[in-house]
Order: sequence, then structure tokens, then C-alpha cells
Amino acid sequence: GAVVSQHPSWVICKSGTSVKIECRSLDFQATTMFWYRQFPKQSLMLMATSNEGSKATYEQGVEKDKFLINHASLTLSTLTVTSAHPEDSSFYICSATRLAGKETQYFGPGTRLLVL
Amino acid sequence: DAKTTQPTSMDCAEGRAANLPCNHSTISGNEYVYWYRQIHSQGPQYIIHGLKNNETNEMASLIITEDRKSSTLILPHATLRDTAVYYCIVRQRGGADGLTFGKGTHLIIQP
Repeated sequence: GAVVSQHPSWVICKSGTSVKIECRSLDFQATTMFWYRQFPKQSLMLMATSNEGSKATYEQGVEKDKFLINHASLTLSTLTVTSAHPEDSSFYICSATRLAGKETQYFGPGTRLLVL
Repeated sequence: DAKTTQPTSMDCAEGRAANLPCNHSTISGNEYVYWYRQIHSQGPQYIIHGLKNNETNEMASLIITEDRKSSTLILPHATLRDTAVYYCIVRQRGGADGLTFGKGTHLIIQP
């Protein structure tokens, strides 16, 4: 149990385009989903917290208009990188917590984004 | 959440027990110790967590000192697939916030 998937696993796009990444909890309902970003040779950095049916909470320094998060159901959250630029190239990882036992986060496999 | 300190890297021979230490001297009474690992180019994987008692599951054992200021993650029979960065994270009980990842320990299992 506690499987989280992400789609796509990798994506290459041109500068200026938008990219949508999906995060799904496959076998449980997730009250909260989180989005992280990881640059090469660095640790994961939390970008935003997403609760079903409400607006996401963004960490300091993360532009909410650039990284649009939608959490429409208890099993799906999406991250849209709008007007992507090469500096947005990174490894994007989501995680989810169950309705009960919310302290433990289960992570997706990540999405590697390359903006040309 | 309390800060943790881990060695940057460690080596361990395949088949041996890998013991990964973590210091969390400022941990408070309502904070859990969590361990995750990240294999190269993958998302982090939950390993184990504990409050004050030692814990064991199918992946590992977690030994927490009596004063709770440090802990050790034990992989009893390390394999090459255990090569990864291991993160020790202290997290408030009932907390619903995102995790703060430090630099972790890069564990390299040698054949």
C-alpha cells in the first residue's frame, strides 16, 4: 500500500511553454500532497503544500503564478510550470499523506523536466 | 522541527550490517525520528520512524538512545541496492507540514 505515481516521468519542452505534471495516490486517499524540487547534487526543497479543495500554500521564494497547483480530488494533484525557462529544469517530486497517520509522507518517483 | 546532523558519506561491505548514525540533540518530546532514503534519480522512499522505543520492520531497525538525542538506522544485511542517500528527519507528532531534507548520508555498499 501507499503507492504514489507521477506522470510524466520525464519531459522536454521549449522555453516559454507550459508543462503539467500529475501526482496520484493509487491506493489511498490523500488529504495533503506536497511538491518538492531537486536540483543536481542538492537535496529536496519543499515548494508547496496542497490540500484537497483549497488553495495551495507556497514556500517563500516560490512564485505561485509560475507554479500552479490544483488538488481537485483526494487522489490527484497537478503542478503546472507556466512559461517554463531553462532555470526551471529540475527534478520535481510529489508526496502524499493518508487521511489517518498523516505524519508519514509517501513519495512519487519524480518527474525530470528539461527546458530547452 | 529539530535539526539533525549526519555524516556526509559511509561505506559498508555487502552482506554486512550498515549502521547509520544521526544526531538530533534539540529534539522535543513530541517529535518523531523519521528515516527516508533516495536511490539515484528516484523519489525518496520511506524506511521507518519512531518516537522513543526501538522499532523494526522488514527494511530496517531504528535504535533511539534513551535521551532521544541520537539514533541509528540499521540495515541488517546490506546489498548493492541499498546504495543511496539516507535522510534522518525529525518531525512533530501530528505535523502536517512538508519535510525539511538535510544533506543526508551517502551510503555506498561495496561488493
